[in-house]
Amino acid sequence: QVHLVESGGGVVQPGGSLTLSCAASGFTFSDYGMHWVRQAPGKGLEWVAFLRSDGSDTYYPDSVKGRFTISRDIYKNTLNMEMNSLRTEDTAVYYCAKTGRGYYVDYWGQGTLVTVSS
Amino acid sequence: DIQMTQSPSSVSASVGDRVTITCRASQGISSWLAWYQQKPGKAPKLLIYGASSLQSGVPSRFRGSGSGTDFTLTITSLQPEDFATYYCQQANSFPLSFGGGTKVEIK
Repeated sequence: QVHLVESGGGVVQPGGSLTLSCAASGFTFSDYGMHWVRQAPGKGLEWVAFLRSDGSDTYYPDSVKGRFTISRDIYKNTLNMEMNSLRTEDTAVYYCAKTGRGYYVDYWGQGTLVTVSS
Repeated sequence: DIQMTQSPSSVSASVGDRVTITCRASQGISSWLAWYQQKPGKAPKLLIYGASSLQSGVPSRFRGSGSGTDFTLTITSLQPEDFATYYCQQANSFPLSFGGGTKVEIK
């Protein structure tokens, strides 16, 4: 069965950096595109990053483009996201998510909380 | 960028009621739309993809319809476990986007 476990969240000062990881199991990791989706406290869902199944392309919204980088290690079945120049508005629970058909998310991790505060 | 607008933002309903949530895209997205359910403190769960296809394991009381710019999620007979927040998501083009959410509350 599919299992996604995020780690790496914590408290960081504005302007700082953090790297999130997601350990994937229960499926052939290299066959599926993967997303990061975040949710600020008490707010809705915001898509943050996508990595194609062949690892060739990445996509980001303007709100994080140039600051966040999604990557993967297919040998360790791990999805990563390097976050730089963090802002207070980046405070959120970050979910690792697997695509099913198309760009839909069929499995989600439990999330990891990132707090950007001085 | 495609904006997704959900309405209403909240709805109060009783067990057994029929509940309808709408989602409008700022431009046509064909049938590239999904619906998710989220309960407090939990990750979202995929209910519907391709605007009307039921995800495996999801009860048949959840129905999706629409294409182009206007979409609907209907819960035909609300059950106690359905009280949650529902989000639509367009999967037509990047940047992907979600609606603002609709909270279904107990009346």
